[in-house]
Amino acid sequence: KNEVEQSPQNLTAQEGEFITINCSYSVGISALHWLQQHPGGGIVSLFMLSSGKKKHGRLIATINIQEKHSSLHITASHPRDSAVYICAARRAEGGSEKLVFGKGTKLTVNP
Amino acid sequence: NAGVMQNPRHLVRRRGQEARLRCSPMKGHSHVYWYRQLPEEGLKFMVYLQKENIIDESGMPKERFSAEFPKEGPSILRIQQVVRGDSAAYFCASSRSGVEAFFGQGTRLTVV
Repeated sequence: KNEVEQSPQNLTAQEGEFITINCSYSVGISALHWLQQHPGGGIVSLFMLSSGKKKHGRLIATINIQEKHSSLHITASHPRDSAVYICAARRAEGGSEKLVFGKGTKLTVNP
Repeated sequence: NAGVMQNPRHLVRRRGQEARLRCSPMKGHSHVYWYRQLPEEGLKFMVYLQKENIIDESGMPKERFSAEFPKEGPSILRIQQVVRGDSAAYFCASSRSGVEAFFGQGTRLTVV
């Protein structure tokens, strides 16, 4: 079982829909990152959070430390939101902190 | 303030050749991380470096792979005698404090 699990693997939505992507992790973490990757493109860091909730524009990220669970929400989704969204848990190991990644959720938003 | 710069963006090498991937961190960042993304797989940590020091190389294959981050110049990920299984996207990230990470555009290595 992966240390970081995302669901769903693939998600198709209509423009304007509310999107939720889930991330569960099995390790103790110091922070959780949400990343966005466009096809053939680089990786953009969306959020880093260790508790509670953060909001940036139409994106909202929440984390529940006790339940080892985080969600990424997109309100009023748009075709340009189509990308792979990756959850990554930051944990201490071997004297340094490193990121452990989920396999990503591929989001397609149709017009 | 330019972001994390990786070059080349695409690299094609024949089996047995050497591949050199470069990463210039953001200005003021002294922490560099390398990650590999194999086709259809998630990102995997390879190595964490600070200026002139390797802090954690637990994700690096034992042979053929090496990384450096000299006092001057970019960080280099070097793969000797490449094989088809090395074909992947290699991403670099940098940070000022070792916490927040900013990613580059990646280098897509194809071994033919």
